[in-house]
Amino acid sequence: QVQLVESGGGVVQPGGSLRLCCAASGFTFSSYHMHWVRQAPGKGLEWVAFIRYDGSNKYYADSVKGRFTISRDNSKNTLYLQMNSLRPEDTAVYYCANLISMIVYWGQGTLVTVSS
Amino acid sequence: DIQMTQSPSSLSASVGDRVTITCRASQSISSNLNWYQQKQGKAPKLLIYAASSLQSGVPSRFGGSGSGTDFTLTVSSLQPEDFATYYCQQSHTTPWTFGQGTKVEIK
Repeated sequence: QVQLVESGGGVVQPGGSLRLCCAASGFTFSSYHMHWVRQAPGKGLEWVAFIRYDGSNKYYADSVKGRFTISRDNSKNTLYLQMNSLRPEDTAVYYCANLISMIVYWGQGTLVTVSS
Repeated sequence: DIQMTQSPSSLSASVGDRVTITCRASQSISSNLNWYQQKQGKAPKLLIYAASSLQSGVPSRFGGSGSGTDFTLTVSSLQPEDFATYYCQQSHTTPWTFGQGTKVEIK
């Protein structure tokens, strides 16, 4: 079955960096586009970034453009989110997700806390 | 970006009640609409995909309808475990966008 497992979250100071990973299994990773979505404490869901199946196109929310970079390694079945210049408002649970045959699959999320 | 407007933002209901939540898209999204249930501290759980298809393992008291711009989630008989926050989401185009959420509370 489709499984997405995020890791890499933690506590970081404002201005710092963090790299999130999403390990995928149960499907042909190299054939599917991938997304990152986040949820700040007590808030709704916010789409963050998208990458095509082959890495050829990437899109970002305006709130993270120029600071976050989405990438993937199809040989390792792994999705990444490099987060630089982190701000307190980036504090959230970050989920990786994808769409397969009209069903959206989500990981369990990893918590990023930006605080001094 | 496609805007998703969900209503109401909260509601109070009793066990056994029929509950309806609506979601409106700012432009047509065909049937590319999903409904989620989320409980505190947990990842969103997919209930309905493609507007009206019940995800495997989800009780049949949950139902979805609509196409184009107007969609509805119905819980036919609310159970104690259904008190949670519900979100709609369009997967028609990137960026994915979400409704603001509906918190279903016990009356």
